[in-house]
Amino acid sequence: ILNVEQSPQSLHVQEGDSTNFTCSFPSSNFYALHWYRWETAKSPEALFVMTLNGDEKKKGRISATLNTKEGYSYLYIKGSQPEDSATYLCASNTNAGKSTFGDGTTLTVKP
Amino acid sequence: NAGVTQTPKFQVLKTGQSMTLQCAQDMNHNSMYWYRQDPGMGLRLIYYSASEGTTDKGEVPNGYNVSRLNKREFSLRLESAAPSQTSVYFCASSEYRAYEQYFGPGTRLTVT
Repeated sequence: ILNVEQSPQSLHVQEGDSTNFTCSFPSSNFYALHWYRWETAKSPEALFVMTLNGDEKKKGRISATLNTKEGYSYLYIKGSQPEDSATYLCASNTNAGKSTFGDGTTLTVKP
Repeated sequence: NAGVTQTPKFQVLKTGQSMTLQCAQDMNHNSMYWYRQDPGMGLRLIYYSASEGTTDKGEVPNGYNVSRLNKREFSLRLESAAPSQTSVYFCASSEYRAYEQYFGPGTRLTVT
């Protein structure tokens, strides 16, 4: 993998469904993996930063895992709510501080 | 705390004109970044400054220059604007390189 890739590109779920997205990133020069939440007409806001293989982070109904050996991270949302509707971005960072973003997964939660 | 501020919010330029986008942060962060965001795409790094006094190219640096004026301020300059530079530009800062980033509100730039 040369670039940061996110899948799926978009997702439509019903309120109460649980969902997950994938972020794949190059293993070379990896230092940290970030997840951001981006609502329409706002700026991206940080959700998680993970650095170690096997890291797991949780914030309320949202959690994330990191596998640096195979170069992927998962973001999970349990019991989706309409207010979870947003674009979720991941970014891979090198130790030098260079960050590369994926194109994002746009989640729409229908009431 | 204002966080990260950007000026202007909107700008229309003619092809060939120059302008500078300003960014300032009041969180005493060491690292600052400039991104552009085009429809259907994520954020692409233009330039970054891992610490005061240093700047480095990102993915898409052509047509841009930057200045890390001091620890607070990081400006982006378009010397000769082109229609391909029509985009939304975001500035961000982080306490240290590779830490979580805090984003400004963005500047919407149109080049005709």
